[in-house]
Amino acid sequence: NAGVMQNPRHLVRRRGQEARLRCSPMKGHSHVYWYRQLPEEGLKFMVYLQKENIIDESGMPKERFSAEFPKEGPSILRIQQVVRGDSAAYFCASSLDQVRDNSPLHFGNGTRLTVT
Amino acid sequence: GESVGLHLPTLSVQEGDNSIINCAYSNSASDYFIWYKQESGKGPQFIIDIRSNMDKRQGQRVTVLLNKTVKHLSLQIAATQPGDSAVYFCAENIPPLKTSYDKVIFGPGTSLSVIP
Repeated sequence: NAGVMQNPRHLVRRRGQEARLRCSPMKGHSHVYWYRQLPEEGLKFMVYLQKENIIDESGMPKERFSAEFPKEGPSILRIQQVVRGDSAAYFCASSLDQVRDNSPLHFGNGTRLTVT
Repeated sequence: GESVGLHLPTLSVQEGDNSIINCAYSNSASDYFIWYKQESGKGPQFIIDIRSNMDKRQGQRVTVLLNKTVKHLSLQIAATQPGDSAVYFCAENIPPLKTSYDKVIFGPGTSLSVIP
């Protein structure tokens, strides 16, 4: 059973370009979460999605950032007009059910975004 | 609250000794807790979880202790090995008050270094 798959592993963008980060959850998982991590720091929640729905986007900047989890295909985190401060590791996690039902998050290995 | 930007606390232990990693969680209503291990360049990996109606849970070489009175969680690793060197995060699940969904918040992490 494949784990959470994220691609690309590394992404380099120039300021002003767009970054698209992809996440395929574990098989059977319909809950997807995106977290951001700066070097030597913890994971900061960005957004929680279920199929075709954004459930909680309270941690995601309102401008330039968007996320989707379509009925078919991977979840996408999109960052428009990237700036140097967007450089970070972005982790996707999935869960089978809601976390309260003893359903822990399983993480991918992240996408490391570098903005030059 | 949310994980904030802090330099990681570090813990150095001798190979073969026991390790204790501590975590203070934020919300007295949190009902489910998870410990993750993150190795360099990888995503967080699930280690062990515990519900709030328990105060202790054991796994293979790991034990999690929960003290709800002081909102404290600890991870004990028996006979620490070089492969245990990593950053360890605790996570708490905050059940919904006004919404219908949970929120998983991560602590700042502790870097464990095992001395051979």
